[in-house]
Amino acid sequence: GEDVEQSLFLSVREGDSSVINCTYTDSSSTYLYWYKQEPGAGLQLLTYIFSNMDMKQDQRLTVLLNKKDKHLSLRIADTQTGDSAIYFCASNQAGTALIFGKGTTLSVSS
Amino acid sequence: EPEVTQTPSHQVTQMGQEVILRCVPISNHLYFYWYRQILGQKVEFLVSFYNNEISEKSEIFDDQFSVERPDGSNFTLKIRSTKLEDSAMYFCASSDRGHDEAFFGQGTRLTVV
Repeated sequence: GEDVEQSLFLSVREGDSSVINCTYTDSSSTYLYWYKQEPGAGLQLLTYIFSNMDMKQDQRLTVLLNKKDKHLSLRIADTQTGDSAIYFCASNQAGTALIFGKGTTLSVSS
Repeated sequence: EPEVTQTPSHQVTQMGQEVILRCVPISNHLYFYWYRQILGQKVEFLVSFYNNEISEKSEIFDDQFSVERPDGSNFTLKIRSTKLEDSAMYFCASSDRGHDEAFFGQGTRLTVV
């Protein structure tokens, strides 16, 4: 079946940029998502990108999509301690179930 | 801001017992979902529900599982006879336009002993 893979851990210093990477296998994916999960909280939709785009920027967040390599990344500029969380990459075709990665734990040290 | 709420946050049950996990979706949403995450594994889709019926389900969602929208506000997941391997975090989600832009609850951690 279709799959989404991401690295499990990332550690950065406060103020640095964080880049979380993800690869997916479904070349028919219509949407690619980034969700954030803080301790004890649900999955919060951070941003998503249509497969016909290659970049989307939203304040400190930049999503880059390389459709040829099926590679998605999330860049967080000026990372803060409040950004410490688990970040999930997900993909789907329009109207179908989301396929998630295992999540990347981002640890931000001051 | 409207949110999806799930109760309880943690449930411990004995193997073979029935459990019901409860969710209150966002009030004007029409699409409802359950996902689960076994510890250390990926978040997996279980079932979607629209117009009072199951619209899609995964192979995980076997006869032991059922969903119901008993009234205008709740959406429940029932596991008839729990197994150890049902231990997981169960997430409810809702959307006003299909799987895209689904809003998730905080999850119910189910522990089967």
